[in-house]
Amino acid sequence: QQQVKQSPQSLIVQKGGISIINCAYENTAFDYFPWYQQFPGKGPALLIAIRPDVSEKKEGRFTISFNKSAKQFSLHIMDSQPGDSATYFCAARQDSSGSARQLTFGSGTQLTVLP
Amino acid sequence: DGGITQSPKYLFRKEGQNVTLSCEQNLNHDAMYWYRQDPGQGLRLIYYSQIVNDFQKGDIAEGYSVSREKKESFPLTVTSAQKNPTAFYLCASSTRADHEQFFGPGTRLTVL
Repeated sequence: QQQVKQSPQSLIVQKGGISIINCAYENTAFDYFPWYQQFPGKGPALLIAIRPDVSEKKEGRFTISFNKSAKQFSLHIMDSQPGDSATYFCAARQDSSGSARQLTFGSGTQLTVLP
Repeated sequence: DGGITQSPKYLFRKEGQNVTLSCEQNLNHDAMYWYRQDPGQGLRLIYYSQIVNDFQKGDIAEGYSVSREKKESFPLTVTSAQKNPTAFYLCASSTRADHEQFFGPGTRLTVL
């Protein structure tokens, strides 16, 4: 059972354009939503994360938009650069529970930014 | 130079053989994790450990085993019972379960 659905599977954007990746979740107990960036042959690295008490978080060119009622969150990359070409994963975790906290990952989006 | 190391980077084994993947961290993190990554799929949790000498099964633990005898080390054994072991394996650690996870560079296992 996939609890976090990510789309699109692949995305091609021109340099300077906006890249948008979407995720939807089912478990309303999730309260931590990170995005990871992974380059080929490397492990993922945390890019930006949000908690549901805010609707948007911005760090440089990267913004997370969060819609709690729709159970959706998205990553926006402004002024996309060729160096942003990577695979992006959304994830979700239930931090409020006393039990062990596990990250549930989306299936990933392969972003290609054309020069 | 703190971080997570995984070795080897590439590993080839014959079908039916057990193989152990190494994961070491010098970040003084309590929690450690093993994930499996397949093309077109997200990371799936195999095992995790919140403290030395304790570990729990993740979503896809069948055919795998782990040990956590030292805080710095969390080796993963892929046994012959794992039906489709060819994959990219990622180790991660965090100061505790609800903190940011840091990932190692991964080991690509190919079973021939």
